[in-house]
Amino acid sequence: DVQMTQSPSTLSASVGDRVTITCRASQSVTNRLAWYQQKPGKAPKLLIYRASSLESGVPSRFSASASGTEFTLTISSLQPDDFATYYCQQHHIYWTFGQGTKVDMK
Amino acid sequence: VQLVESGGGLVKPGGSLRLSCAASGFNFNDYNINWVRQAPGKGLEWVSSITESSHYRWFADSVKGRFTISRDDPEKSVYLQMNSLRVEDTAVYYCARSLGEETGDYWGQGTLVTVSS
Repeated sequence: DVQMTQSPSTLSASVGDRVTITCRASQSVTNRLAWYQQKPGKAPKLLIYRASSLESGVPSRFSASASGTEFTLTISSLQPDDFATYYCQQHHIYWTFGQGTKVDMK
Repeated sequence: VQLVESGGGLVKPGGSLRLSCAASGFNFNDYNINWVRQAPGKGLEWVSSITESSHYRWFADSVKGRFTISRDDPEKSVYLQMNSLRVEDTAVYYCARSLGEETGDYWGQGTLVTVSS
């Protein structure tokens, strides 16, 4: 099984901050890595697919990168609508999600 | 694009439930349909997937042998039959579409399954 280790589990930040979330895969997942945003009581929303491609309609302050089995999601300038929980997900071998990172207000 | 789950509810341990995922607004026949669940206050867990034309069906180890998945292409629906339910199956169950090797881009709003005596 592919394990996804996401960090941090919680991140306290202010509007305007640059925010970075990291995810590490236990084995190669090639570029089959996605990032989702989830708000309470809502379904996950796809932000990034294929490790670094921005989903249509997602603001350009979201970006992502990959280096081997380490993946990073960056929000360049945190906005009020961005307080949420973020999950990485590999879809190379079935689907596996990271544990989630809750971004809350400092 | 719309995916609507239904069929959730309260069931006793050992019981059964069938969830439905009804699709509209896209060419259903081309897409894989996936089920993902989220226990209260917890993260996301993949449960099962069925490919277009039902070529392949996959299950997480946690549900293998207890859950089955099927699709009815003319009805544009996917069904998750859940048997021998356990307390730990309590979760919101989401369906999501995916195309080929891509990940889920549209998700339904979820249906709550509660397994409790």
